[in-house]
Amino acid sequence: QSVLTQPSSASGPPGQRVTISCSGNISNIGGSTVNWYQHLPGTAPKLLIYRNTQRPSGVPNRFSASKSGTSASLAISGLQSEDEAEYYCASWDDSLNVVIFGGGTKVTVL
Amino acid sequence: EVQLVESGGGLVQPGGSLRLSCAASGFTFDDFAMHWVRQCPGKGLEWVSAISWNSADRVQADSVKGRFTISRDSVKNILYLQMDSLRVEDTALYFCARDKKILYGSGTYLDFWGPGTLVTVAS
Repeated sequence: QSVLTQPSSASGPPGQRVTISCSGNISNIGGSTVNWYQHLPGTAPKLLIYRNTQRPSGVPNRFSASKSGTSASLAISGLQSEDEAEYYCASWDDSLNVVIFGGGTKVTVL
Repeated sequence: EVQLVESGGGLVQPGGSLRLSCAASGFTFDDFAMHWVRQCPGKGLEWVSAISWNSADRVQADSVKGRFTISRDSVKNILYLQMDSLRVEDTALYFCARDKKILYGSGTYLDFWGPGTLVTVAS
């Protein structure tokens, strides 16, 4: 069972906005930064968001994220078919002294 | 161009051992901490282990503690994962990933990943 809690799935038609939540506690999200990864089966996971809100170069600005207290969220606006993937939040946990991932959210474009 | 390429996966019997390698290129290997992350069949990403830039600090997930050992060779630019006492539940696709910092910890994020190598533990 993941220490970070995400919904298992999210969906929307092309062009829609989808949000994914990630809930943790004071030892992880509350005391560190949150990162988001995109993973398509058979490929290397890709860093999507780092340090709560920052996008690496090359990541479209359709992807945005925020953090408040012990929770974070990822938003995908203008949903496109290529956005179909699994999305994971992750953070360092100071209590466990490990990196922890959320369980992943599968995004489907209807 | 940053490249990470894992190798060494395969089929092994329960109780057996395997050593995974991750060849790094396109960046100064000594400037970054490194991680192993796995994905078991039908499951999500699970962090396995991390090592600091100079090998002075290492940490593992409880699920592999005492069985898996992470190490690195700064001459060959290779990250390793020695896996002993393998269990069926260790069956997974294993990824190596680069940390943006020299030492993992608060603020850690993994900015480049390899495509993975498959480990199957079965009799």
